[in-house]
Amino acid sequence: AQSVSQHNHHVILSEAASLELGCNYSYGGTVNLFWYVQYPGQHLQLLLKYFSGDPLVKGIKGFEAEFIKSKFSFNLRKPSVQWSDTAEYFCAVNGPHSYNNDMRFGAGTRLTVKP
Amino acid sequence: DAGVTQSPTHLIKTRGQQVTLRCSPKSGHDTVSWYQQALGQGPQFIFQYYEEEERQRGNFPDRFSGHQFPNYSSELNVNALLLGDSALYLCASSLTAVDRLNTEAFFGQGTRLTVV
Repeated sequence: AQSVSQHNHHVILSEAASLELGCNYSYGGTVNLFWYVQYPGQHLQLLLKYFSGDPLVKGIKGFEAEFIKSKFSFNLRKPSVQWSDTAEYFCAVNGPHSYNNDMRFGAGTRLTVKP
Repeated sequence: DAGVTQSPTHLIKTRGQQVTLRCSPKSGHDTVSWYQQALGQGPQFIFQYYEEEERQRGNFPDRFSGHQFPNYSSELNVNALLLGDSALYLCASSLTAVDRLNTEAFFGQGTRLTVV
């Protein structure tokens, strides 16, 4: 069965610090990978997704993620975080014959950015 | 253009009761999935509806059932409520298109269900 592990439960950074959130998945085949963000009081929003091709994916708001197949990882990065990036971040995965809204999610990482 | 709307926003039910949650997908979307998000956890996939039929299902008991209407809106029904069913229930909609790369799932803000 597919599963997703997010290593950090809560990350605290100062503004302008670099961010990397870890995500590993367990699935014995081709996968589609996603990162979602949930700002306080708001609904889940897609940051970026990977289906195939270039393993370095760029998303909205300066976020990017790198798919490393050999490590079953899809880590999220941002060179310089802002206070407005404070939110909960979720990594998700589904299989190649799945559709965009039948994903398996990790437990989430709460990011707090101090001004 | 309205996004995904869910109703009600909050609900309190007693153990053993039944509950119905509702979702209207984003305009133009034809596929609806339901998720359960317990406190401190990521969303867990319950099931997905397309063309008024359940297309995929996660690891949830038969107490969880759903329906999709011709206008693509959907309901989630939970029977014989347990205390452990207390959670945020999320609806996500998307378009089942040939070109999956250009579709995106949109989430509603959820219904907070409390079972007492």
